[in-house]
Amino acid sequence: QKEVEQNSGPLSVPEGAIASLNCTYSDRGSQSFFWYRQYSGKSPELIMFIYSNGDKEDGRFTAQLNKASQYVSLLIRDSQPSDSATYLCAVNRGQFYFGTGTSLTVIP
Amino acid sequence: ETGVTQSPTHLIKTRGQQVTLRCSSQSGHNTVSWYQQALGQGPQFIFQYYREEENGRGNFPPRFSGLQFPNYSSELNVNALELDDSALYLCASRLVGANYGYTFGSGTRLTVV
Repeated sequence: QKEVEQNSGPLSVPEGAIASLNCTYSDRGSQSFFWYRQYSGKSPELIMFIYSNGDKEDGRFTAQLNKASQYVSLLIRDSQPSDSATYLCAVNRGQFYFGTGTSLTVIP
Repeated sequence: ETGVTQSPTHLIKTRGQQVTLRCSSQSGHNTVSWYQQALGQGPQFIFQYYREEENGRGNFPPRFSGLQFPNYSSELNVNALELDDSALYLCASRLVGANYGYTFGSGTRLTVV
């Protein structure tokens, strides 16, 4: 079983819609959770982190964590074409473990 | 603008050769990790250094080795290169104890032919 699993997509949403990205993790000892965005040919950049159950909002982005279900999600409201990228979920268990990423395309 | 810099940006090596990749971490970050990212995959953890000591290692063979220096710089060395070592190598640094994520460098694209 992989440490972190993501639906690889691709996920396509129209401009202005809500994009929902999901991630599950295998180890209940995971302490904190991170979402990174990676444009093609570039390195990952941190969008958000969350470590408490519930929602955390930052601008158009909302991270949701459910430790009982071992589930993390990222919602992107009012999606823009510039949001088109691969989104990586990572969990911190001392070291960071990454999922394979979900490719998002926002269609103008 | 990222505080983590990597060199070189691109590199082509022949199978069996050795390579050294370099990273300068963000100032004040006491932990550096190296990742290998193959095309279409997420970053795979190679190893982590904290205060110049290796304190974590992923599922990579011993021919992958590293060093961290007091000035926040670090190296990834790979011996006996194989074709499957072709990937993007990412250096990332963070401050242990602070509950935020790694800052990544722009990476080194290694091609083994």
